Amino acid sequence: GAGVSQTPSNKVTEKGKYVELRCDPISGHTALYWYRQSLGQGPEFLIYFQGTGAADDSGLPNDRFFAVRPEGSVSTLKIQRTERGDSAVYLCASSLTPGTGEFFGPGTRLTVL
Amino acid sequence: KQEVTQIPAALSVPEGENLVLNCSFTDSAIYNLQWFRQDPGKGLTSLLLIQSSQREQTSGRLNASLDKSSGRSTLYIAASQPGDSATYLCAVQYSSASKIIFGSGTRLSIRP
Repeated sequence: GAGVSQTPSNKVTEKGKYVELRCDPISGHTALYWYRQSLGQGPEFLIYFQGTGAADDSGLPNDRFFAVRPEGSVSTLKIQRTERGDSAVYLCASSLTPGTGEFFGPGTRLTVL
Repeated sequence: KQEVTQIPAALSVPEGENLVLNCSFTDSAIYNLQWFRQDPGKGLTSLLLIQSSQREQTSGRLNASLDKSSGRSTLYIAASQPGDSATYLCAVQYSSASKIIFGSGTRLSIRP
């Protein structure tokens, strides 16, 4: 596709459930970022991949959050035992090479009831 | 702690005015600085990217300046239009292989 895509666009789940959020970066982009954005705030960094490996996962809030990028393309953000405080818009971005400008997807709005 | 601050949080001006949005960052050793636009319920669109060695970048009616020594950047919008209404986010990186740190944004409303 022409841009970064994220699925689903909306996800409603119950407290305690497991969710997976998917990001399809622009083809050929080696760097991939996950961010979380709460209402009225700027995006908050979660994790950054360079190729298949997590180059920086310092933003993951706790061990309930995990992300993978097994083939260096699609990435999945996984959240276990969801809590109401996890409700936010989860944004994915990719760049051809790090530091050259990022392209953001439309986000997944996660609501935990 | 590396932080990015944007003032004001919200701004409303009549159509046609020139305006300036402000961004400040606590650690001046940045690698680059970007300005993004975000429309309600949408992702982010990069408007301008300034490398640390540059002083400004221009795109159409937009001009972004960077003063590393003072830890400040401004986004200048000329001849504002209602279609410019959006949230504008400033973000910095401290190396090519590092996370992007965002400000909280300025919500801009252009009145017809």
